[in-house]
Amino acid sequence: DIQMTQSPSSLSASVGDRVTITCRASQDISNSLAWYQQKPGKAPKLLFYAASRLESGVPSRFSGSGSGTDFTLTISSLQPEDFATYYCQQYYSAPYTFGQGTKLEIK
Amino acid sequence: EVQLVETGGDLVQPGGSLRLSCAASGFKVSDNYMSWVRQAPGKGLEWVSVFYSGGATSYADSVQGRFTISRDKSKNTLVLQMNSLRAEDTAVYYCARGAMTHNYFDYWGQGTLVTVSS
Repeated sequence: DIQMTQSPSSLSASVGDRVTITCRASQDISNSLAWYQQKPGKAPKLLFYAASRLESGVPSRFSGSGSGTDFTLTISSLQPEDFATYYCQQYYSAPYTFGQGTKLEIK
Repeated sequence: EVQLVETGGDLVQPGGSLRLSCAASGFKVSDNYMSWVRQAPGKGLEWVSVFYSGGATSYADSVQGRFTISRDKSKNTLVLQMNSLRAEDTAVYYCARGAMTHNYFDYWGQGTLVTVSS
C-alpha cells in the first residue's frame, strides 16, 4: 500500500499569511494526487486533482505542485474561510490512501 | 446539479449488519467510479471501497470480506452492505463520486453515521 505523509499535522497562522503544506508518498505516484479541504461537520471539498489542476470554483490564492513523491499545497494569502483541515489523497492505485490531515488554525 | 444523499446509518451491536444507500442525481452512477469513504470521530479520512464504472470492485484491507459494494443502475444508487461490524467501524460514511477514469472525488454526500456499540 502507498503511504501518504503530510506535514505539519497542525499549523497556526494569521489572516494574510502565506502557508505551505507538504505531502509525501511512499512511492512514485506520478501526478495522481488530490487535495481536499474539510470544515467541521462538513464533507470534504475537492481543491486540486492531478497535483496542480485547480477544481472549478476554487480561489486562485490556492496552488498545488509536485510530482513523483513530493507535493505541496500553498495558500498565498490566508482568508478567514480558509481555516480548516486539509488532506492529500493518492489515486495512483488502490487502496486510495489519504494523508493524516493538516489542521490550519487561526493564530 | 449533482447530488449524493446517503441513508441507512444507525446504532448497531458488534457482529451485526447494516446496509447503507447513496442516491445519486444529476449523473449516472454507472458512468463514474463510485466510492465509500469513512471518517471515525475526530479522525482522518479512510477510503473504504470503490465500484469502478466497468463493474469491478476493490476494498480496503480493513473491510475486505465483511463489506460488499454494489450498484443499482435502475435506481441510480450505490449500496454498501456491512456485515460482522466491529467497534472500529464506527464512523461517518460518505458516498463520493470519482472521476470517470480516476478515483479522486469531486462530489461528496453529507455523510451518514454508523455507530457500532453494545
